Amino acid sequence: GAVVSQHPSRVICKSGTSVKIECRSLDFQATTMFWYRQFPKQSLMLMATSNEGSKATYEQGVEKDKFLINHASLTLSTLTVTSAHPEDSSFYICSVKQGGGEYNSPLHFGNGTRLTVT
Amino acid sequence: AQRVTQPEKLLSVFKGAPVELKCNYSYSGSPELFWYVQYSRQRLQLLLRHISRESIKGFTADLNKGETSFHLKKPFAQEEDSAMYYCALSGGGATNKLIFGTGTLLAVQP
Repeated sequence: GAVVSQHPSRVICKSGTSVKIECRSLDFQATTMFWYRQFPKQSLMLMATSNEGSKATYEQGVEKDKFLINHASLTLSTLTVTSAHPEDSSFYICSVKQGGGEYNSPLHFGNGTRLTVT
Repeated sequence: AQRVTQPEKLLSVFKGAPVELKCNYSYSGSPELFWYVQYSRQRLQLLLRHISRESIKGFTADLNKGETSFHLKKPFAQEEDSAMYYCALSGGGATNKLIFGTGTLLAVQP
């Protein structure tokens, strides 16, 4: 079964509104989750690393005030796209790190959220 | 800078033919390399990682530090192997941040 649950799978919103995407770790506690963005026919681009109980770490070029990340518990991270614009339309995917150690455990991915801003 | 390059967007082979999906990377330290696969209408999932040195679904990949490559190989392709394959790199450490290549679509023809 799925290890990571992402909701909603698809959302359409009007320009200027905000959208919240949830990512839940179902089988284990996750201190770290990752948010990726994928444009059509392109690769996954890491947006930010979500850290439980502390601030997210954003990649260069990603606006932290536009993409708000909250990781309030060990099983839930949320990504809120604020004041959405059509250029924010994309496929957003979360992933959860399992385990740890020097050689990192693999990531488990959610099914993704297709955001369309009209 | 960390970078993963997959030069082929599409690789089309016939069933039973050998497959090699190319992946080259750029990283100053000792990275960990992964191959992820995404079958049609399914989520991205781990196929294999170099540290495990295992064969999954007949696929193998060897890390060549001299050539900075991590090509994915399978001697005899099956139709069910048709999918999108992503090579990914992690610099290690606690964050496990993954950098992905652009992906290669493998199409296995009957």
